[in-house]
Amino acid sequence: QKEVEQNSGPLSVPEGAIASLNCTYSDRGSQSFFWYRQYSGKSPELIMFIYSNGDKEDGRFTAQLNKASQYVSLLIRDSQPSDSATYLCAVNPADAGGTSYGKLTFGQGTILTVHP
Amino acid sequence: KAGVTQTPRYLIKTRGQQVTLSCSPISGHRSVSWYQQTPGQGLQFLFEYFSETQRNKGNFPGRFSGRQFSNSRSEMNVSTLELGDSALYLCASSPGGTSTIYFGEGSWLTVV
Repeated sequence: QKEVEQNSGPLSVPEGAIASLNCTYSDRGSQSFFWYRQYSGKSPELIMFIYSNGDKEDGRFTAQLNKASQYVSLLIRDSQPSDSATYLCAVNPADAGGTSYGKLTFGQGTILTVHP
Repeated sequence: KAGVTQTPRYLIKTRGQQVTLSCSPISGHRSVSWYQQTPGQGLQFLFEYFSETQRNKGNFPGRFSGRQFSNSRSEMNVSTLELGDSALYLCASSPGGTSTIYFGEGSWLTVV
């Protein structure tokens, strides 16, 4: 079982629709969860992070975390063609000593295409 | 504030050679981590340095090494290059007390 799993897609949505990206993780003790966006040929760009159960909103983006289900999602409202990219879910593994800050485990990414 | 700077951006090496990649973190960030990204394996953690000490290491062979200097700049080295080492090598920095990391533009390594 992969540590962080995402649907590879591609996920195709029309412009203006809501895009829903999902991610599950295996390490129940994971504390921090991140969404990165990566355009083709570019490096990953941090768009959201979430630490607590529930929803966190930032502009058109909403991250949702359910630790009991080991599930994290990203909703993109009013999707734009410029949102077309690969979305990477990343998880910081549990470390009681607090020394694994820079170590993230990434999913394989979901390719999102927003068509006009 | 300047972002994470990586050099060189593109390089081509021959099998058996070695390569050194450089990374300058965001000003004030003390943690530098390195990742390898390939189409087949995705983004994989190589190692992390904090205050000149390696704090975490991923599952890569000993040919992959790194170091961090007192000014937080970091280098990674790959010796005896193999074709499979062709990848995008990403450096990321963070203040150190958080998992929120910010990536540089990466170094594209091609091994021929």
